[in-house]
Amino acid sequence: GDSVTQMEGPVTLSEEAFLTINCTYTATGYPSLFWYVQYPGEGLQLLLKATKADDKGSNKGFEATYRKETTSFHLEKGSVQVSDSAVYFCVLSPSNDYKLSFGAGTTVTVRA
Amino acid sequence: GAVVSQHPSWVICKSGTSVKIECRSLDFQATTMFWYRQFPKQSLMLMATSNEGSKATYEQGVEKDKFLINHASLTLSTLTVTSAHPEDSSFYICSAWTGAGGEAFFGQGTRLTVV
Repeated sequence: GDSVTQMEGPVTLSEEAFLTINCTYTATGYPSLFWYVQYPGEGLQLLLKATKADDKGSNKGFEATYRKETTSFHLEKGSVQVSDSAVYFCVLSPSNDYKLSFGAGTTVTVRA
Repeated sequence: GAVVSQHPSWVICKSGTSVKIECRSLDFQATTMFWYRQFPKQSLMLMATSNEGSKATYEQGVEKDKFLINHASLTLSTLTVTSAHPEDSSFYICSAWTGAGGEAFFGQGTRLTVV
């Protein structure tokens, strides 16, 4: 079945550092890929998405490119802020099913 | 974007009582909603799929008589934790889905504490 493998954390960074969270997937067909962010005590919020190969999703300085050849969707941000401290989930939505596949989540802490 | 509202955001109840959690899609019709459970520092675990007008589909290992799901309208699904026990304490999250390959919108989550 479909699955998502996400870099395990926790990740601790200083402000203005570069952030990368690796995400790879296995899937049949042509899934859509998402990054969701969860702040403490809250639900998940969509950060960015890509629905087909070579699409680049971007939002709030974060970027991720849907790479079919490497089955990856790595999340990057060039200069993190304290407010980026959260848990990040890589999520796959199959093209032919309703069940989402979640990565394990990566906890990111940014220190001033 | 679409909004999913979940209520309450937190609840404390006594062992043996039942608790109802509501999940509403505010600006779109959701024929399918999902209920997840999240343990501390872990990912989301799908509990069940709620289909409007029909019975919910439960994941393996989830007690359907304990976690009652009702999806009476296209904008509302409810999860009732019956005869709650301390081990049911957890963070419960609902989501509504826009279709195959589409996007999921998540509620704010409900922190349930059973004492």
